[in-house]
Amino acid sequence: GEDVEQSLFLSVREGDSSVINCTYTDSSSTYLYWYKQEPGAGLQLLTYIFSNMDMKQDQRLTVLLNKKDKHLSLRIADTQTGDSAIYFCAESGGGGNKLTFGTGTQLKVEL
Amino acid sequence: DGGITQSPKYLFRKEGQNVTLSCEQNLNHDAMYWYRQDPGQGLRLIYYSQIVNDFQKGDIAEGYSVSREKKESFPLTVTSAQKNPTAFYLCASSIGNPGRSSGYTFGSGTRLTVV
Repeated sequence: GEDVEQSLFLSVREGDSSVINCTYTDSSSTYLYWYKQEPGAGLQLLTYIFSNMDMKQDQRLTVLLNKKDKHLSLRIADTQTGDSAIYFCAESGGGGNKLTFGTGTQLKVEL
Repeated sequence: DGGITQSPKYLFRKEGQNVTLSCEQNLNHDAMYWYRQDPGQGLRLIYYSQIVNDFQKGDIAEGYSVSREKKESFPLTVTSAQKNPTAFYLCASSIGNPGRSSGYTFGSGTRLTVV
């Protein structure tokens, strides 16, 4: 079945780069997503990558996809305190009728 | 502005009571979803509906029920059969299959606490 794994915590200093990693199992996923959740709120779509791409850059965000290893990463350049949140990766799966989410990575940005 | 609204934001339930969480969207999305979020466990799918008057169980449907009488609305009832209902509940919607660039749109969540 589908399974998406992430590490639970990441701590970085303000101004450094953050790299959040994710592994997934369903190689037929068409899209892979990164969502951000601030405390007590819903999830916001940050970015996505189509499965035939290796990399996507969007301002401070860089998504890398290694289909062979089923590994997805999100790099946040020049991390700010406002980036402190939980980050979820998600895959669309082969059927595409629902998303499977990872456990979420709590990013803490320290001054 | 289009969006998805969950209410109430906070809800308290006594043991043995049923409670209903509201989810309404004006995005004209076909599909709607309910997830439960617990610390360290990510999001777990409770129920989803791809069209009006039809819905499917997710991974943790026991103790929950839903209805989809209107395209805009997908209420979730937490029944007394759900033994550990304290959690953060998230509703989401998508244009048909979410496996496209738009993914899901989420509501702001309802925090349910058993007292």
